Amino acid sequence: GAVVSQHPSWVICKSGTSVKIECRSLDFQATTMFWYRQFPKQSLMLMATSNEGSKATYEQGVEKDKFLINHASLTLSTLTVTSAHPEDSSFYICSASTQGDTDTQYFGPGTRLTVL
Amino acid sequence: SQKIEQNSEALNIQEGKTATLTCNYTNYSPAYLQWYRQDPGRGPVFLLLIRENEKEKRKERLKVTFDTTLKQSLFHITASQPADSATYLCAFTGGGNKLTFGTGTQLKVEL
Repeated sequence: GAVVSQHPSWVICKSGTSVKIECRSLDFQATTMFWYRQFPKQSLMLMATSNEGSKATYEQGVEKDKFLINHASLTLSTLTVTSAHPEDSSFYICSASTQGDTDTQYFGPGTRLTVL
Repeated sequence: SQKIEQNSEALNIQEGKTATLTCNYTNYSPAYLQWYRQDPGRGPVFLLLIRENEKEKRKERLKVTFDTTLKQSLFHITASQPADSATYLCAFTGGGNKLTFGTGTQLKVEL
């Protein structure tokens, strides 16, 4: 149980284009989803927290107009990287938690974004 | 600011030995700490959670300790196997259930 999927697993795009990454909780309802970014040999850095049906809360230094997050249902959250640039190339990972167990986050497998 | 530190140098040990990884934190008193395993190109996988009122927690070959005086958690893998080779991350939860991760320690178990 508690499986989180991400799609796509990897994506290559041209500079200036937008990329959408999906995060789904497959067998549970995720009241809260989190989006992280991880650069090579660095730790996961939280970008934003999203609760179903409400606006996402962004961490300091993360541009909300560049990283659009939508948490439209209890099983799906999307992260759209708008006007992507090479410096946005990174490993993006989502996680989800349930209302009944807010201590535990279940992580997706990650999405490798490469911007040329 | 809240900080969590792990030894950035890789830990190489022989198969069958016990691996011990260290996690130190400053400027915070977390109610609990979590340990995750991360394989290359994959998301973290939850291993263990230990609360501040628990000195030790075990799960199969894994053992975690939590010393709130030293502000340190130790993660042990007994009878280590090559399949245990991975990066191990510790994390604590701040306000709003937000996780702050350490940089992770890479473990290599050699035959």
